[in-house]
Amino acid sequence: DGGITQSPKYLFRKEGQNVTLSCEQNLNHDAMYWYRQDPGQGLRLIYYSQIVNDFQKGDIAEGYSVSREKKESFPLTVTSAQKNPTAFYLCASSPLTSGYSRGAYNEQFFGPGTRLTVL
Amino acid sequence: AQKITQTQPGMFVQEKEAVTLDCTYDTSDPSYGLFWYKQPSSGEMIFLIYQGSYDQQNATEGRYSLNFQKARKSANLVISASQLGDSAMYFCAMREGGSYIPTFGRGTSLIVHP
Repeated sequence: DGGITQSPKYLFRKEGQNVTLSCEQNLNHDAMYWYRQDPGQGLRLIYYSQIVNDFQKGDIAEGYSVSREKKESFPLTVTSAQKNPTAFYLCASSPLTSGYSRGAYNEQFFGPGTRLTVL
Repeated sequence: AQKITQTQPGMFVQEKEAVTLDCTYDTSDPSYGLFWYKQPSSGEMIFLIYQGSYDQQNATEGRYSLNFQKARKSANLVISASQLGDSAMYFCAMREGGSYIPTFGRGTSLIVHP
C-alpha cells in the first residue's frame, strides 16, 4: 500500500549542527511539502515542490533548505541558521490533477512526522 | 488576516454524542475547497472530508459531515456518535482557486469522555 515515510521519528541536534530530515513517497504524487508545527500554531509551510529539480519557499523558509532530485524524495535540511528549530516537522504530498482514486480532491497525504529537539 | 479561523481551542464531548467543530474562512475567490484533517497523538494528519465551493450538497463521509454555509463562510465539521478514538486535534484548511497549497487553521482539540 502506498504512503509517505519520514525518518527519523525523533532527532536531536546540537547547537550549530545541520541536520537532514528524510521524506519519501510512493504515491506517484507530483507535489511535496514540508510543514513545521509548533504547539497552538497549526501548520506553517516551509518549502514546497511541484516538480523535480524545482521548489519554492513557503512562509517560514529562513534557516531551511530542500532538494528534489527525485520525484519520490524531498529531504529537508535544518541549518544552523535556524535559531529555534525545536518543533514537529510534517512532510506531505498531493496529486496536482484529480482522477486518482486516492487524492480525488487533490488532498494532501501526510507522513508520520519527525520531532526535532535542540540540545 | 487569518484565512481560516477555528475559534474553539478545546472541546469536550460525551461518548456517543454528536459534536460540532467550528471553522470560518475568508476568501474572495469564488472557487475554493475546504478540508478537514484529524491529527491523533501519534502526529500523522489524516484526511477526513472535503467540500468544494460549488458543491450543492453538504459533504458526508461516514460519521463525519460538513455543515457548509457559504453565505456565512463557515464549514463546520459534525462528528456523530463520538467514539473514544475520535479524541485528537482537528484542523480545517482551505485551498483557493488555482493554488494547490492549502492554508490551515490553528486546530481544535477534541476530547471524548467515556
